[in-house]
Amino acid sequence: QLVLTQSPSASASLGASVKLTCTLSSGHSSYAIAWHQQQPGKGPRYLMKVNSDGYLSKGDGIPDRFSGSNSGAERYLTISSLQSEDEADYYCQTWGTGILFGGGTKLTVL
Amino acid sequence: EVQLLESGGGLVQPGGSLRLSCAASGFTFTTYAMSWVRQAPGKGLEWVSGITVSGSSTYYADSVKGRFTISRDNSKNTLYLQMNSLRAEDTAVYYCAKDVGGSSLIYFDYWGQGTLVTVSS
Repeated sequence: QLVLTQSPSASASLGASVKLTCTLSSGHSSYAIAWHQQQPGKGPRYLMKVNSDGYLSKGDGIPDRFSGSNSGAERYLTISSLQSEDEADYYCQTWGTGILFGGGTKLTVL
Repeated sequence: EVQLLESGGGLVQPGGSLRLSCAASGFTFTTYAMSWVRQAPGKGLEWVSGITVSGSSTYYADSVKGRFTISRDNSKNTLYLQMNSLRAEDTAVYYCAKDVGGSSLIYFDYWGQGTLVTVSS
């Protein structure tokens, strides 16, 4: 069964970097995923797609501070030079028979 | 500029019906699949339903299958979600989302701001 697993929370200091992880369930390590950001009180915003070969496809206007990578069944979202507006919920999403979201990671910028 | 504007949300009693609309602009609506995604209060994102370009293929989450119907009017650049037999657990903000695919559901590159549906007596 296809499942996406994310840590519920993460925190990092202003100006620092943080790496968020989305883990694909066993047998699904070749799947691509998309990352979405949801700032408080707003609709989600597409950040990027991360393939199993590490290929990225970013959304319009997404700053270079946001990058993606992968290792095996894990897909990563790295945010560098953290700013206060990066405090948000981050969701990974994939597709198969329908669309599936991870549970989301709430990022706190200290 | 891509814009997705949802409307039609509101307060409805359990067992009632509601029809959501999503007006799309800024892209060729007839080229892309579309979906509805919801978010219950304090919860994460849950995909609800998707539809391909022609409308010939529709997909539903198990939680809404048989109660919700997705459709689109390509002449009006509008996506719809007919929601029947509503339950308290359907209470959520409903988002319209544009897919990067056309003939299948892949992932979303644009989202609307959402419309709130509250199911309560």
